[in-house]
Amino acid sequence: NAGVMQNPRHLVRRRGQEARLRCSPMKGHSHVYWYRQLPEEGLKFMVYLQKENIIDESGMPKERFSAEFPKEGPSILRIQQVVRGDSAAYFCASSPHNIQYFGAGTRLSVL
Amino acid sequence: GIQVEQSPPDLILQEGANSTLRCNFSDSVNNLQWFHQNPWGQLINLFYIPSGTKQNGRLSATTVATERYSLLYISSSQTTDSGVYFCAVPRGDMDSNYQLIWGAGTKLIIKP
Repeated sequence: NAGVMQNPRHLVRRRGQEARLRCSPMKGHSHVYWYRQLPEEGLKFMVYLQKENIIDESGMPKERFSAEFPKEGPSILRIQQVVRGDSAAYFCASSPHNIQYFGAGTRLSVL
Repeated sequence: GIQVEQSPPDLILQEGANSTLRCNFSDSVNNLQWFHQNPWGQLINLFYIPSGTKQNGRLSATTVATERYSLLYISSSQTTDSGVYFCAVPRGDMDSNYQLIWGAGTKLIIKP
């Protein structure tokens, strides 16, 4: 059973470009969570999704950030018009119930 | 909201030593997870331990929910144990119990 798969592992963007981060949950998991980690800090919750539904996006910045988890395919975290402050590690987790299992993360660098 | 504090923030040990990492939380929880973030940034699930004691090889964890703390024990440390250890608990209110609140981590360096 493959774990949570995230790609790309590293993503470099220039200011103003768009970043798309992908997450495929573990097989059988219908809950997906996105977290952001700034250097030297713990993770911060961003959004919780189930198939075709955003359950809670209270941790997402109001502008430029969006997330989806379509009926088919991976969950996508999209950041439009990236700025240097968006540079961070973005982790995706999936769960069947209480325990969240994390992917290896995507490290976004904005030049 | 619930606060999570980890101690010590940094720990440097020689290979073979034992260590105890602590996680304090400010409110009652029904879930607690320990993670290891290795030097390459990957997060590895160590324990799901809302209460009691669990062991996995050289690692063990104990959560005393009534006293709001959890301990992670690492025995006979190896250089591959280096990295940052995080504990995380749910936010607390029933409507958002899935949101994990993370401590700042304990950075462990094991010297050969």
